[in-house]
Amino acid sequence: RKEVEQDPGPFNVPEGATVAFNCTYSNSASQSFFWYRQDCRKEPKLLMSVYSSGNEDGRFTAQLNRASQYISLLIRDSKLSDSATYLCVVKANQAGTALIFGKGTTLSVSS
Amino acid sequence: DAGITQSPRHKVTETGTPVTLRCHQTENHRYMYWYRQDPGHGLRLIHYSYGVKDTDKGEVSDGYSVSRSKTEDFLLTLESATSSQTSVYFCAISESGENYGYTFGSGTRLTVV
Repeated sequence: RKEVEQDPGPFNVPEGATVAFNCTYSNSASQSFFWYRQDCRKEPKLLMSVYSSGNEDGRFTAQLNRASQYISLLIRDSKLSDSATYLCVVKANQAGTALIFGKGTTLSVSS
Repeated sequence: DAGITQSPRHKVTETGTPVTLRCHQTENHRYMYWYRQDPGHGLRLIHYSYGVKDTDKGEVSDGYSVSRSKTEDFLLTLESATSSQTSVYFCAISESGENYGYTFGSGTRLTVV
């Protein structure tokens, strides 16, 4: 089983739509969780951290379910500029461990 | 944006030649990482460093070595480049190894022919 699994998509949605991405992770020792965004031929950039209580940043909402080892990202009122690949990322709380990346989910928002 | 630069941005090299990629940061962050990104595999960790002269292997370290003689520089060397090492290489830095996300460089696109 892959450490971090995501539906690769692509998700093709119209502007204004609400879209949700899901992610599962296999290491129950994972303690830190993030969503990154990567534009075509660019470096990944941190979109938001994911907290146990869930958190929101504008149109973006992240949820964490530790019991199910499941992370989600909800994007409301999609914009053309949201088109990108979204990477689910986890990290175990052990000294020396690095971030583990999912392969990403591709979103295409059309007008 | 954080001060992290990678060089070169693009490189074409021949099989069997050594290649060194450089990552330079101006943030004085302790942790530095090298990842490669390939279609179908996502980002995979090659090596990382948790301080000057302190490095460790990642998931795909075979065929690669690293060095960190100064806080600001982390070098990745392909001892003898192979076609399977054609990839996009990203360097990343982190203020702390625990709960902080990483900041990535712009990447080096390496082609081994």
